Amino acid sequence: SQQGEEDPQALSIQEGENATMNCSYKTSINNLQWYRQNSGRGLVHLILIRSNEREKHSGRLRVTLDTSKKSSSLLITASRAADTASYFCATVNSGAGSYQLTFGKGTKLSVIP
Amino acid sequence: GAGVSQSPSNKVTEKGKDVELRCDPISGHTALYWYRQSLGQGLEFLIYFQGNSAPDKSGLPSDRFSAERTGGSVSTLTIQRTQQEDSAVYLCASSLVAPVSYNEQFFGPGTRLTVL
Repeated sequence: SQQGEEDPQALSIQEGENATMNCSYKTSINNLQWYRQNSGRGLVHLILIRSNEREKHSGRLRVTLDTSKKSSSLLITASRAADTASYFCATVNSGAGSYQLTFGKGTKLSVIP
Repeated sequence: GAGVSQSPSNKVTEKGKDVELRCDPISGHTALYWYRQSLGQGLEFLIYFQGNSAPDKSGLPSDRFSAERTGGSVSTLTIQRTQQEDSAVYLCASSLVAPVSYNEQFFGPGTRLTVL
């Protein structure tokens, strides 16, 4: 089943603008991760935020997590054409033996040069 | 190795045939996962291997799907009597020590399976 639900489903912005994608989930989590996928193939891990963290930065990426609202956001600042890709949030549920990632359907980001 | 590799990159088969998909994880990674991504859908967990433990097969959609991992390294996902709804990109991932609550998973490029 798909736990994470990203919105928007598609986002088109001009190069240099910021892009914000949101993710909601339903169960208690251990951590939430964001992945990027180019051309429908392999995924690249971007950032991981633990359930006891509220914000995390990595380069031009900023992730927030609100466990009370069961939501997360990914902000890409100063976007570049090379950021064009699909972005997925994925959760690892809390509890013993939790290891699989549960993915949402993704946000397709287009950055126009 | 440099990363997770998968073969073949593309596979076209006829309905009813069996297919085998291969995954070579990153050397030293004890955990290996298979996921499936159907057109317009998110990624669906299929199966998980950790060391010599019995695999978690809870995500396999039917008994036509099976997977094995030999020697704790290479894994093969087998789909018997393929159906058109099996058409998808099959992604393999590996990670360091599991349970891997905090560990990122490294994904291969995937195998695009098309069942005619």
